[in-house]
Amino acid sequence: KQEVTQIPAALSVPEGENLVLNCSFTDSAIYNLQWFRQDPGKGLTSLLLIQSSQREQTSGRLNASLDKSSGRSTLYIAASQPGDSATYLCAAHTGGFKTIFGAGTRLFVKA
Amino acid sequence: ETGVTQTPRHLVMGMTNKKSLKCEQHLGHNAMYWYKQSAKKPLELMFVYSLEERVENNSVPSRFSPECPNSSHLFLHLHTLQPEDSALYLCASSQGIDGGFFGEGAREKDTEAFFGQGTRLTVV
Repeated sequence: KQEVTQIPAALSVPEGENLVLNCSFTDSAIYNLQWFRQDPGKGLTSLLLIQSSQREQTSGRLNASLDKSSGRSTLYIAASQPGDSATYLCAAHTGGFKTIFGAGTRLFVKA
Repeated sequence: ETGVTQTPRHLVMGMTNKKSLKCEQHLGHNAMYWYKQSAKKPLELMFVYSLEERVENNSVPSRFSPECPNSSHLFLHLHTLQPEDSALYLCASSQGIDGGFFGEGAREKDTEAFFGQGTRLTVV
């Protein structure tokens, strides 16, 4: 059974700092891995999707990497801003209609 | 106009009420999903529809009844709910579900999910 874990559960950093969010999954047979952002009480916004054949994806200040063999993905946020404050979720798509979500990392960027 | 729209945004209902949540996607996708997000718990997949057919039911109680009249619309009918059903209900869509569904040459990106803003449900 696929399990997805995100560490840390919460993170507070000063503005301008570069940071890394971690996501680990127990079954390496994933179809792809997707990173989302969720603001309080709102829906999920897709940030990046890494296909199983890829190693990383970049969008602006965000870079996500995927290492299937070790069951890990990281989301790197460069030059963090207060507007980046949100909960970040990773989700492993295992095929067969299954997408397993982590519990998320709550990020607070202090001005 | 956002890609996936959910209504209402907030709903308060009694345990004997019947209500429905609505989801509409304007992305031309073939798959739609209902998720439940409770406080401090990961998202839980409830139902999956592919081309208007239900393809997944994750042991959801019968007091939740989904309906997919066409590939653009998805409903979640609610009746005799319990207070523990209070949560954020999220709808999502994707172009496809699984590469195998489209056979060889299917794109993994077809499973990229796009979410609505959710309906905050409170059962009193």
